[in-house]
Amino acid sequence: GQNIDQPTEMTATEGAIVQINCTYQTSGFNGLFWYQQHAGEAPTFLSYNVLDGLEEKGRFSSFLSRSKGYSYLLLKELQMKDSASYLCAVMDSNYQLIWGAGTKLIIKP
Amino acid sequence: IAGITQAPTSQILAAGRRMTLRCTQDMRHNAMYWYRQDLGLGLRLIHYSNTAGTTGKGEVPDGYSVSRANTDDFPLTLASAVPSQTSVYFCASSTSGTDTQYFGPGTRLTVL
Repeated sequence: GQNIDQPTEMTATEGAIVQINCTYQTSGFNGLFWYQQHAGEAPTFLSYNVLDGLEEKGRFSSFLSRSKGYSYLLLKELQMKDSASYLCAVMDSNYQLIWGAGTKLIIKP
Repeated sequence: IAGITQAPTSQILAAGRRMTLRCTQDMRHNAMYWYRQDLGLGLRLIHYSNTAGTTGKGEVPDGYSVSRANTDDFPLTLASAVPSQTSVYFCASSTSGTDTQYFGPGTRLTVL
């Protein structure tokens, strides 16, 4: 079966750095996406990785290792507004997105 | 309109009733999707459409139907609602079936 694993919840301090991990087992791989979802709102696109390595976008970076079936999202200089759920999704061989359950990130002052 | 809109925002429905959730996008995206999101689970694909006039089944299609008469609209119909269909429903769209998906604001549906 297809599976995306990510931690259920993480806590971090304002101004710090946090890494959210995602491991996957899917039938085929056509890219990995990270989305941010604030409570009661829609998911919004953060990043896309299809090749191994690090993609940096401001305070957010995303890393992919296809051989390990592993990705992480790195958030730097955490702000209170970063409190949200972070969703990892893999596009499989049928070009359908398989979603993890999300990681709820709590930022403390 | 800018992006994707969904209606209604929320709805309480009696079991056995028919309900259509509406989704409209103005980005001229070819592909559109319906997902449901339940606590503790990832988003699950209900139905999708890669282009106007075509639709396909996702992971959890039973009890739902869709149509795609034009590029902009992608309604989701529950023919006879059951309590297990209580969920938050998100519509999404993308330029093509292989591109980044963008989401509407969601419809919170409660079936009693």
